[in-house]
Amino acid sequence: DVKVTQSSRYLVKRTGEKVFLECVQDMDHENMFWYRQDPGLGLRLIYFSYDVKMKEKGDIPEGYSVSREKKERFSLILESASTNQTSMYLCASSLGATDTQYFGPGTRLTVL
Amino acid sequence: AQSVTQLDSHVSVSEGTPVLLRCNYSSSYSPSLFWYVQHPNKGLQLLLKYTSAATLVKGINGFEAEFKKSETSFHLTKPSAHMSDAAEYFCVVGRLTGGGNKLTFGTGTQLKVEL
Repeated sequence: DVKVTQSSRYLVKRTGEKVFLECVQDMDHENMFWYRQDPGLGLRLIYFSYDVKMKEKGDIPEGYSVSREKKERFSLILESASTNQTSMYLCASSLGATDTQYFGPGTRLTVL
Repeated sequence: AQSVTQLDSHVSVSEGTPVLLRCNYSSSYSPSLFWYVQHPNKGLQLLLKYTSAATLVKGINGFEAEFKKSETSFHLTKPSAHMSDAAEYFCVVGRLTGGGNKLTFGTGTQLKVEL
């Protein structure tokens, strides 16, 4: 079974802090994705990566950056956290471009 | 551009009765379409996907969906609801871009199943 793990289930940070959210997949998938989920808005794509060191902006990249130094790991970075970034963050991976995306359990981030 | 509209934010059914969750999509390309389910405090799980093969797609747990191009719809159905079906369901449209399949999610339908 594909396993996508996220470093924390719950995280509380203060406004202005730099925040790292880590995602690891164990199935040698090429593609990895970061989404945020907000009530009534569904999931929205922040960034995705289709290869090591390659990234592409999603629908809402403002305020975020990403890093993919190794194939199995994809990090989401909030350079200076703000209260409007309080949300559930979901990571996903897929083998190929058209393959099913498998999701991690999510990290619920609260920015105070 | 692509978008997806889930027509009901909440649906309530009795156990043993049929389930219908409605979804309409808009896409400039030949779309791939998905339904995902999210149980409370659990990750998203793929129920089924349509990728231009058969228009009636069967998924896990007795769910199926029919792709109707003329109506731009991809409604999710199940003949008989079970209590364990209570969850949030997302209709998703996908488009290939760069190296990845960019997914656009609907806003979700919360399914409640009553005894």
